[in-house]
Amino acid sequence: GAVVSQHPSWVICKSGTSVKIECRSLDFQATTMFWYRQFPKQSLMLMATSNEGSKATYEQGVEKDKFLINHASLTLSTLTVTSAHPEDSSFYICSANRAVGSQPQHFGDGTRLSIL
Amino acid sequence: EDQVTQSPEALRLQEGESSSLNCSYTVSGLRGLFWYRQDPGKGPEFLFTLYSAGEEKEKERLKATLTKKESFLHITAPKPEDSATYLCAAPTTDSWGKLQFGAGTQVVVTP
Repeated sequence: GAVVSQHPSWVICKSGTSVKIECRSLDFQATTMFWYRQFPKQSLMLMATSNEGSKATYEQGVEKDKFLINHASLTLSTLTVTSAHPEDSSFYICSANRAVGSQPQHFGDGTRLSIL
Repeated sequence: EDQVTQSPEALRLQEGESSSLNCSYTVSGLRGLFWYRQDPGKGPEFLFTLYSAGEEKEKERLKATLTKKESFLHITAPKPEDSATYLCAAPTTDSWGKLQFGAGTQVVVTP
């Protein structure tokens, strides 16, 4: 069964709205979670690494003020897309490793974000 | 620079028609190669991990193999339910936790 849960699965909202996406590890504690973005017919691009109790690490070119990440507990990381615009429309996916330093990563089912 | 390249981009198979997908990588000191399956509108589903050249893993109609430069995913006698995008990924040189994904191969199996 699923080991990583993501919510919501689909969001449609107006330009300028901030949107929060949740990622939960279901039966294990995840000190690190990862956030990816996927455009149609393209592969997953890592946006940031979410670290429990500390600041997230962002990949080059990803605006940290635009994509706020909070990892306040060992089972929950949130991604907030602030003041979203149509170009932020995409498929956002989170993942986690069952144990520190272990593989593979397990992925949530993604969130389809559409900004009108 | 770490790179993972998959070919072909798309593959259309008749049910029962076996084929292979390729994943080549240029990651220094490879520490694992992962295969995932992704259905439309879903997150990737883990299939296999390969750690060393010569290693093989099997699951139903799928078999993954690894050499020093590339990995293959063999689909034997595929069924329509095998239709999906298959992704390979490798940990990046600078971080075991971060994955570099290939662009994927979209497989369509027709009855």
